[in-house]
Amino acid sequence: DADVTQTPRNRITKTGKRIMLECSQTKGHDRMYWYRQDPGLGLRLIYYSFDVKDINKGEISDGYSVSRQAQAKFSLSLESAIPNQTALYFCATSDFSSEETQYFGPGTRLLVL
Amino acid sequence: AQSVTQPDIHITVSEGASLELRCNYSYGATPYLFWYVQSPGQGLQLLLKYFSGDTLVQGIKGFEAEFKRSQSSFNLRKPSVHWSDAAEYFCAVAEIYNTDKLIFGTGTRLQVFP
Repeated sequence: DADVTQTPRNRITKTGKRIMLECSQTKGHDRMYWYRQDPGLGLRLIYYSFDVKDINKGEISDGYSVSRQAQAKFSLSLESAIPNQTALYFCATSDFSSEETQYFGPGTRLLVL
Repeated sequence: AQSVTQPDIHITVSEGASLELRCNYSYGATPYLFWYVQSPGQGLQLLLKYFSGDTLVQGIKGFEAEFKRSQSSFNLRKPSVHWSDAAEYFCAVAEIYNTDKLIFGTGTRLQVFP
């Protein structure tokens, strides 16, 4: 079984809809991250969390919100999706035991029409 | 602010040929440096990382990278490329005391011809 899982893997939605992307991990890591990947731009950090009570904005948090429901779960929400949020979204985890290395999930491909 | 530059968007090599992917960073001190690989439809997998010590680091799948402080570079190399190495490669940096904020380069797509 994968250590970092993301659901759904693919999603098509319409402008204005609210959607949630979910991430779960079995690595026991404290820190979790959400990134988006756009062609030619690499990965950019949206939000990150050190633990359940500690949520931090990343480089591009506008239009997104997150929820850390448990140590193992970190959800990303788009309250009102817009077409320029079409991207590939990755969840990642890390902590001191991973020697600062981030481990990535398989990604969620989102298309906003 | 930190930045990472991968000057080559797309590289094509023949199977068995050597490979070097370039990465340059901008940071005031020595950062933590990473190379990740993304195979089609997959997430990112860590190839190798440099924190300190020996400037030539070995990674998985036969890859290595060399940190050159004078050139602010961390180029990835492989002596003989296999068709399965076709993927996108990302260089990333993080501040020593702020390793949660990884800054990624824009990636280099590697194509391998038989």
